[in-house]
Amino acid sequence: QQQVKQSPQSLIVQKGGIPIINCAYENTAFDYFPWYQQFPGKGPALLIAIRPDVSEKKEGRFTISFNKSAKQFSLHIMDSQPGDSATYFCAASNLGSGFQKLVFGTGTRLLVSP
Amino acid sequence: GAVVSQHPSRVICKSGTSVKIECRSLDFQATTMFWYRQFPKKSLMLMATSNEGSKATYEQGVEKDKFLINHASLTLSTLTVTSAHPEDSSFYICSGGGGSSDTQYFGPGTRLTVL
Repeated sequence: QQQVKQSPQSLIVQKGGIPIINCAYENTAFDYFPWYQQFPGKGPALLIAIRPDVSEKKEGRFTISFNKSAKQFSLHIMDSQPGDSATYFCAASNLGSGFQKLVFGTGTRLLVSP
Repeated sequence: GAVVSQHPSRVICKSGTSVKIECRSLDFQATTMFWYRQFPKKSLMLMATSNEGSKATYEQGVEKDKFLINHASLTLSTLTVTSAHPEDSSFYICSGGGGSSDTQYFGPGTRLTVL
């Protein structure tokens, strides 16, 4: 119930490609869905986040698509660059009852080849 | 975005000693702070949640007597690994959030190596 399932585990795309990372959740109480980017040896950095009242959110080259009925959300990276090579984590939490802990997906290692 | 710092960034200690890791929110007040542990190529594992001025809430399986958490102010939380052993070697990451923000901001992490 508390899990967030993330796929794929790893992904290789060419520069300029559009990698897509998918996440699915079960807990319908989740109402906040952030994506984090992590480089080796560093802490995760917030990329973009979405609430369930919208189906899509775009910030720069990063887009979240959200499907409430399917309980799925995904991250698209437009015009990917080698500098985007990192591990990406989706997460979910229930903010409705105050600031709550995040449930993380298992992570996707993205490699963007030059 | 808000900034969270951690100190030290790396620490090497002998087995049996205690190590303290500091987590500071530099430009916001973190009413809630979280401590995570991350193994190589794995996801973040939540260890505990702490609210300023309250005792920390530990996740199942995390030894509260071994991992002491103090959140004495709105900008500082500490994690003390007591009587550290090699199996405690890991990457420890804190995060902070609260106030009007929905977002958790993460620190850069601390690499602990216990010899």
